[in-house]
Amino acid sequence: DTGVSQDPRHKITKRGQNVTFRCDPISEHNRLYWYRQTLGQGPEFLTYFQNEAQLEKSRLLSDRFSAERPKGSFSTLEIQRTEQGDSAMYLCASSTTAEGGDQPQHFGDGTRLSIL
Amino acid sequence: AQSVTQLGSHVSVSEGALVLLRCNYSSSVPPYLFWYVQYPNQGLQLLLKYTSAATLVKGINGFEAEFKKSETSFHLTKPSAHMSDAAEYFCAVSLHNAGKSTFGDGTTLTVKP
Repeated sequence: DTGVSQDPRHKITKRGQNVTFRCDPISEHNRLYWYRQTLGQGPEFLTYFQNEAQLEKSRLLSDRFSAERPKGSFSTLEIQRTEQGDSAMYLCASSTTAEGGDQPQHFGDGTRLSIL
Repeated sequence: AQSVTQLGSHVSVSEGALVLLRCNYSSSVPPYLFWYVQYPNQGLQLLLKYTSAATLVKGINGFEAEFKKSETSFHLTKPSAHMSDAAEYFCAVSLHNAGKSTFGDGTTLTVKP
């Protein structure tokens, strides 16, 4: 168990630029989640995948946001035309619905996005 | 729909004192409840979880929480605080052990020497 890995850890970009984050879940986990956390608040759900299928998206996820998990392993979260309000910590988590018993989410250390 | 309310955004205790962090939940179905700890610039680490097996749940680092259905509460306690417990703590509710969670706004725990 190498844990959930997120890259990059920090991203600074100018308003209007596109950014892409990557998440590598725990290898045997079939579910992958994206959350956004702003200062002083708890994580807010954005979207989740079961294997390669994106099963749910929050209303928080505007058209500028897109997430993929093409082969059911790693996932990417892209934000197009970034805005000041996108500045936040983006957290990835994975879990499993294995026959041996469901396991709760394990979180990565997040990608902190700062929009100049 | 589920929701979580954490009472007290900041809690300060002396080293060795009892830690009590409060969490109340709302859920239309029997919930799964979790407590997480977050250190600066890190992700969330699971402290403990309630999945209907036992109402008193023991977690890592000496923490425990009691599920009280009548009070819709899941308060986190630790008998004796250590300096290393200083962090932000989040309570979360889910419909499923492996499902997405709804988080409270967190409680920052400060431990004074």
